[in-house]
Amino acid sequence: VVLTQSPATLSLSPGERATLSCRAGQNVNNFLAWYQQKPGQAPRLLIYDASNRATGIPARFSGSGSGTDFTLTISSLEPEDFAVYYCQHRVGGPIFGPGTKVDLK
Amino acid sequence: QVQLVQSGGGVVQPGGSLRLSCAASGFSLNTFGMHWVRQAPGKALEWVAVFWSDGNHIDHAVSVQGRFSVSRDTSKNTLYLQMNSLRVEDAAVYYCARDSVPVWSYVGTFDIWGQGTIVTVSS
Repeated sequence: VVLTQSPATLSLSPGERATLSCRAGQNVNNFLAWYQQKPGQAPRLLIYDASNRATGIPARFSGSGSGTDFTLTISSLEPEDFAVYYCQHRVGGPIFGPGTKVDLK
Repeated sequence: QVQLVQSGGGVVQPGGSLRLSCAASGFSLNTFGMHWVRQAPGKALEWVAVFWSDGNHIDHAVSVQGRFSVSRDTSKNTLYLQMNSLRVEDAAVYYCARDSVPVWSYVGTFDIWGQGTIVTVSS
């Protein structure tokens, strides 16, 4: 099941709201996770099963959606939030999306 | 402290072999499924393989089937990725990652990651 993410790049300023989209080619129920990756670092799990924050993840990160359409929202961007974000499903084997880069406007 | 520390990697010629290691601390590899995920330069993440926590099953991505194998040494609490018949397109940063739920198989969400190790395939 292919994942597409949009937009490819999101240019925002600190304090703004970020809305990232992930679409699955087929129904993946709520079996979707979001990861954050900064340059030279390993990915970090943010959200699992579409809407559950992982341990230690700030409340400004939230996930929603089910079936084929999912959203990651960062309510108010902090300087450390500028990174690449990947969605990933686990139906028939783990598959990652191509990523959305959130960069500084 | 729960962590994964990777070693191995390096430069190898096409057709060569390499073994990567992933030493776990703070938890037992017998309890969680363990994955390998790779990332080619400038590219997205790609799942490579998983070693089920029951120790009896391994699943691979089609792209590495028949060439890569995963094993673990429970006495050392270490996971391995043996890579044979390496191709130029296998060049990437390789990460080991822990499955997020302690089940006998795996769930497919990754909550703890190693620091990554670079594999370069070039003549």
